[in-house]
Amino acid sequence: QSALTQPASVSGSPGQSITISCTGTSSDVGGYNYVSWYQQHPGKAPKLMIYDVSNRPSGVSNRFSASKSGNTASLTISGLQAEDEADYYCSSYTNNITLPVVFGGGTKLTVL
Amino acid sequence: QVQLVQSGAEVKKPGASVKVSCKASGYTFTSYFMHWVRQAPGQGLEWMALINPSDGSTSYAQKFQGRVTMTRDTSTTTVYMELSSLRSEDTAVYYCARCLRGNTNLPYFDYWGQGTLVTVSS
Repeated sequence: QSALTQPASVSGSPGQSITISCTGTSSDVGGYNYVSWYQQHPGKAPKLMIYDVSNRPSGVSNRFSASKSGNTASLTISGLQAEDEADYYCSSYTNNITLPVVFGGGTKLTVL
Repeated sequence: QVQLVQSGAEVKKPGASVKVSCKASGYTFTSYFMHWVRQAPGQGLEWMALINPSDGSTSYAQKFQGRVTMTRDTSTTTVYMELSSLRSEDTAVYYCARCLRGNTNLPYFDYWGQGTLVTVSS
């Protein structure tokens, strides 16, 4: 059981927008603005897409945006493209000294 | 360019230990924490540990306390993760990952190794 809760799957058609939620607690997502999102294609290492809740690293498309409200963070992908089909993971800093980093269980995005 | 190159796949028997290496290049090795994250087949990501390459200090997830040891060699810019008392549930791909924000334990991993598959089987 993952510390952060994500939907197992989402889907959308090319050109549409989708949103993936990530729900934690006041000890992680809700307590700090230290949320990140990763994209992972099959057989590949994860790729950092968002950090500090809503910042994109250099090179990440502006079709990817994110936000947070209370204990829930969200990743939105607009203008869906076939290449966006992948697994997406959220992550958060926590105040647990023995587990400072937690991940969500992952969401499989299918582009129809 | 920044690169993290990990050692090759391993097959181990239950109860054995495995040591995975991660050689860093293309940046100042001592300026960025290195984390280890694992992923069991078909499963999600799981944070295991981090090391400060500057002084060798470490932090381990409670789940792995007593079984995991992270070390570093500054002369070869390599970090190591050793996991002992292996069991079948430890079968996973193990990744090293550099922290974007330098010497912090924030979950921002901007560069990843290619992953090392560790298979535990009798």
